[in-house]
Amino acid sequence: DTEVTQTPKHLVMGMTNKKSLKCEQHMGHRAMYWYKQKAKKPPELMFVYSYEKLSINESVPSRFSPECPNSSLLNLHLHALQPEDSALYLCASSQDPRLAGDTQYFGPGTRLTVL
Amino acid sequence: QKEVEQNSGPLSVPEGAIASLNCTYSDRGSQSFFWYRQYSGKSPELIMFIYSNGDKEDGRFTAQLNKASQYVSLLIRDSQPSDSATYLCAVKRSQGNLIFGKGTKLSVKP
Repeated sequence: DTEVTQTPKHLVMGMTNKKSLKCEQHMGHRAMYWYKQKAKKPPELMFVYSYEKLSINESVPSRFSPECPNSSLLNLHLHALQPEDSALYLCASSQDPRLAGDTQYFGPGTRLTVL
Repeated sequence: QKEVEQNSGPLSVPEGAIASLNCTYSDRGSQSFFWYRQYSGKSPELIMFIYSNGDKEDGRFTAQLNKASQYVSLLIRDSQPSDSATYLCAVKRSQGNLIFGKGTKLSVKP
């Protein structure tokens, strides 16, 4: 089973709203990732959690706040977003980023629209 | 020079032909390389990974790696219309995160 689930599938929010994106995996993976993907562009890394600790933050604005409650769950809290933040937000997980053959599996994504 | 470069295409091949997708990377210390397929509006789906020089085959797909030339390719044999998608090459950094190329859009014509 290589399933990563994400909720919600679609989200429309105003610039003053607070919302959260959720990601879950039950593969025993110890690393989880948030990517942002704009139309016709490749995924861009936002955050990496490895063994439940934030290991990479790619200079993401503070209006995006990640949280890893446990090894199976990853949240992305959104606050005061801008219309340019509208994108597909992808969650991924992998067994152990220290391994050469470590492979990331992506969830279906959350399509976010900021009005 | 960008870290991972791909020809954006579109690459158009007839059904049943071999599609050849290419990728170059700049970090000579890179160890692991991945090919993902992404249909429009969907998330990336892993096709193959490779980390040893040479060829790796899985069904109709063959990944080729040449570390001396810093070159990775993906061959799709007997291409089908269902193979029409964007193919993303990704290189793994030492910290574990992936750097993606811009992707090559493949169109297989019936």
